[in-house]
Amino acid sequence: DTGVSQDPRHKITKRGQNVTFRCDPISEHNRLYWYRQTLGQGPEFLTYFQNEAQLEKSRLLSDRFSAERPKGSFSTLEIQRTEQGDSAMYLCASSRGLDQETQYFGPGTRLLVL
Amino acid sequence: AQTVTQSQPEMSVQEAETVTLSCTYDTSESDYYLFWYKQPPSRQMILVIRQEAYKQQNATENRFSVNFQKAAKSFSLKISDSQLGDAAMYFCAYGEYGNKLVFGAGTILRVKS
Repeated sequence: DTGVSQDPRHKITKRGQNVTFRCDPISEHNRLYWYRQTLGQGPEFLTYFQNEAQLEKSRLLSDRFSAERPKGSFSTLEIQRTEQGDSAMYLCASSRGLDQETQYFGPGTRLLVL
Repeated sequence: AQTVTQSQPEMSVQEAETVTLSCTYDTSESDYYLFWYKQPPSRQMILVIRQEAYKQQNATENRFSVNFQKAAKSFSLKISDSQLGDAAMYFCAYGEYGNKLVFGAGTILRVKS
């Protein structure tokens, strides 16, 4: 069990650029979640997948955000035309999706938009 | 929509003493899960303890225990014999089967030596 991994750990970009983050869940976890956390706040839900199907998207997920989970393994979160308000920590979590509802979190990707 | 409230932005405890962090939540569901997560500075969020709503017995994990009051929608975390390594931001979270977690704003715990 290698845990949830995220790449990159840090990303600095200029306003208007596109960025993509990757999350690798714990092996055999079929649910994968994305959250956004701003400084001093709790994480806020963005979207989640059951295998390759995206089952729910938050209203926080504007049209500039898109997430995929091809083949039900790793997931990517892309932000197009970044804005300074997108600066945050982007957290990924996974769970087995059975009655074990505990979500295990990755280290996060910290995004800074200049 | 479900909400989670942590009314204590910051708490302090002396090493080896006991501290209780408060959490209340709002839901109309009867089956759900509650969690406490710990997030040390610049480090990964880790699970401290979880409670299934259908269980009347309060969960315990070594020095960590909860006081789950379903009718009052209250879920507090007690840390006994506090250690310097317990210093972190603690988040209370609510979840339903397979769905998103709803987090509180967090409580910063400082441990004094």
